[in-house]
Formats: sequence, structure tokens, C-alpha cells
Amino acid sequence: NAGVTQTPKFQVLKTGQSMTLQCAQDMNHNSMYWYRQDPGMGLRLIYYSASEGTTDKGEVPNGYNVSRLNKREFSLRLESAAPSQTSVYFCASSQGTGEVSPLHFGNGTRLTVT
Amino acid sequence: AQSVTQLGSHVSVSEGALVLLRCNYSSSVPPYLFWYVQYPNQGLQLLLKYTSAATLVKGINGFEAEFKKSETSFHLTKPSAHMSDAAEYFCAVSRYNQGGKLIFGQGTELSVKP
Repeated sequence: NAGVTQTPKFQVLKTGQSMTLQCAQDMNHNSMYWYRQDPGMGLRLIYYSASEGTTDKGEVPNGYNVSRLNKREFSLRLESAAPSQTSVYFCASSQGTGEVSPLHFGNGTRLTVT
Repeated sequence: AQSVTQLGSHVSVSEGALVLLRCNYSSSVPPYLFWYVQYPNQGLQLLLKYTSAATLVKGINGFEAEFKKSETSFHLTKPSAHMSDAAEYFCAVSRYNQGGKLIFGQGTELSVKP
């Protein structure tokens, strides 16, 4: 099984450019998440989707938008990239939000904004 | 509010020595606690989780963690380090009905010397 797949793996953007990070899971999970990882700060939740058709803000949502396209796919969009958005982005999924089920992570997208 | 503090951003041990990675949490309600491991250029993988069933939790690769409510701690241990244990380790906290909305610690990088 592929698990959680993220594309692209690497991306370099100029300030002000836009892009969409793609994420897909094949585990039939209900919930999906976007985290960013910065040195010394652990992972911080950007947005999450508890179930198909719903999305909600996490800890650091400013500058991002998300779309839960269907049960499998959850995309993250940067409308106007800023250097502060240079980070490693992880998508994750879990069975649901009622029971505390573990997260399954993708391998990340390394984004640099110059 | 919940938070997690990992003591020591970098820990170095010799192969065969005890591994001890420290994690303290704050939570106003009974927490769910997790340890994740991240190998270079990969996503996070679940090592173990505490969900109030037993205070000593055994995980994969010989790791275990003990929940101590009186100390608000959830330290990760392994009796004998192996070279393959070199990675970054993250402690995380959540609550029932918050599913994957995990709050992560800053991470501890474990180095294993031959």
C-alpha cells in the first residue's frame, strides 16, 4: 500500500507566486491534516478535515487555503508565497476524530520561497 | 491549553547504552500521549501511544514509555541503543474527540555512537 502520497517532493517559489500541494491517501481514512515542520518548533497544524466535506483551521492557518476534494484527497494552497512559508509540509491521515487513532504521515514536501 | 516540552534538542548515546528521551506535558484533562520517530527525509512514524489503558506502554523497535501523572511526564526509553535508532523523536499530546489535532514537542535528535 502507498499510504499517504504527497506531491511534489521539492519546490522552489519566488515571493508572490502561488502553488498547490497535493495529498492523497489510500487507507479509506476519514480525517486528513496538513502540518508544517520548522527547525526547533516541532510540527504545527495548519488545517485539518475531520471528514469529507469539512475543513477547519489549525494553529497556523494564515496564508493557506485547503480543499477536501473527496475522501482520498486533501490539497493545500499558497495563494501568494512568502519567505516565512519556507518549510517542510506534511500531510497526514487518520481513521477518525472520535477515537484517538494514530496519524499516518506522507514523506513531506520541502518548499523554499525566495 | 495543552502543551508538550521535550528536554534536550539533541541526545547522544553509545551503541548498547540506555536511551532516555524526556517529555513533559500539560493538559487540563486526561491526555492521550504519543511518541513518533522521523528518519531522515521521511515522514513521522508512530512508535507508541498512551490512551489510559496502562501506564507502561510498549512500542515498536524495543521502545517503551511510562505515563506518570504525578510528574506529568511520558519519557521514552530503550534499554540498549542500536545504530539504526538514530533519528528525530517527537512527543505529542491530544485529547479525546480531538483525534489528529496533535500538539507536538520540539523534537529530540538522537545520535548513536559506535
